[in-house]
Amino acid sequence: DIQMTQSPSSLSASVGDSVTLTCRSSQNITDYLNWFQQKPGTAPKLLIFGVSSLQSGVPSRFSGSGSGTDFTLTVSSLQPEDFATYYCMQSYRTPYTFGQGTKLGIK
Amino acid sequence: QVQLVESGGGLVKPGGSLRLSCAASGFIFSDYYMTWIRQAPGKGLEWVAYISSSGFTIDYAHSVKGRFTISRDNTEKSLYLQMDSLRAEDTAVYYCAREGGRPDYWGQGTLVTVSS
Repeated sequence: DIQMTQSPSSLSASVGDSVTLTCRSSQNITDYLNWFQQKPGTAPKLLIFGVSSLQSGVPSRFSGSGSGTDFTLTVSSLQPEDFATYYCMQSYRTPYTFGQGTKLGIK
Repeated sequence: QVQLVESGGGLVKPGGSLRLSCAASGFIFSDYYMTWIRQAPGKGLEWVAYISSSGFTIDYAHSVKGRFTISRDNTEKSLYLQMDSLRAEDTAVYYCAREGGRPDYWGQGTLVTVSS
């Protein structure tokens, strides 16, 4: 199975900051990398698919990059509603696998 | 708009069975793969299974293979997950999601608790 590793596990930042989250896969997944945001008590929401394509309705302050095995999610100018847990997920091969998540908290 | 509503969760004893349902609306159900994903309390996300639009292609996570069965009824626009031989480690919120190359729309989830 393809292992997904996210770093850091948690991160504190302030409103207006820019943050970058990292996700690494155990093997080449080309561009089959997706990012989700989850707030407590709610279902995850797709933010970015195919490494860098923004899901409809997602603000442009979210951006993704990378290829092969190393990927990043950048949130520029953090807003209060961005404080949440973020998961990466590979859809290159089943079983699809998720990273363990990065919890983004308010400093 | 796309809507997915899960039902069927609850408390079940180890070794027991439960059938989850997911009612879909707002899109052409028969055009899409569908998937189940779960989240144990306080833990991360785990992909469980998916089924192709026709129902002919199915795959499972190793942890549930042989115990869970995914199915769909395109006429009823519904997705199902039959869960047998349940274990404590199957305790989780179970989400159904539309699979458009990735899980792009999710339901609100239904809680399954396996405990004696």
